[in-house]
Amino acid sequence: TQLLEQSPQFLSIQEGENLTVYCNSSSVFSSLQWYRQEPGEGPVLLVTVVTGGEVKKLKRLTFQFGDARKDSSLHITAAQPGDTGLYLCAGAKGNTPLVFGKGTRLSVIA
Amino acid sequence: DVKVTQSSRYLVKRTGEKVFLECVQDMDHENMFWYRQDPGLGLRLIYFSYDVKMKEKGDIPEGYSVSREKKERFSLILESASTNQTSMYLCASSLGGKNYEQYFGPGTRLTVT
Repeated sequence: TQLLEQSPQFLSIQEGENLTVYCNSSSVFSSLQWYRQEPGEGPVLLVTVVTGGEVKKLKRLTFQFGDARKDSSLHITAAQPGDTGLYLCAGAKGNTPLVFGKGTRLSVIA
Repeated sequence: DVKVTQSSRYLVKRTGEKVFLECVQDMDHENMFWYRQDPGLGLRLIYFSYDVKMKEKGDIPEGYSVSREKKERFSLILESASTNQTSMYLCASSLGGKNYEQYFGPGTRLTVT
């Protein structure tokens, strides 16, 4: 059972465009994390959101946790080629390991 | 900074061989994890460990075993490698308690021929 659905699965945009990717679930999570993975490397943690409605900014990246703590979004402003990668969301529930989505593969073309 | 290292970046083994993948973390983290990552299937949890000498099965443990004799080291063992175990293997660690943030190693791309 895939508890976290990420959309879109693939996204190819031009440098300078804005974009939003989504992470949705029917389950409530105590926290949610976003990771970025570059080709041939392991995922790297970008941010953790904990409180419903929370918004966190990391330079041009804005992360939001849904009010009900079931979903999250990542918005990138003025995308750059360095933003290219696989974006993974992961949800935490109780004492179980993180649940990962399958990711959104972003390609930013110069 | 947390550092998670994996013994090999690339590995080629023959069917039937016993394969050891080693993972070491240097931040005294309680929890360690082994995943495999395949196109279209995402990250799938193989085994995890919340303490030394302790292990728990993940979603796809068949064909794998693990060992955690020391806190900093978590080994994944393929008892008899098969071609369907060709994959990217990722090790991760986390502090423990209510801190779920995972730190990943660079991965081992294993090819079984």
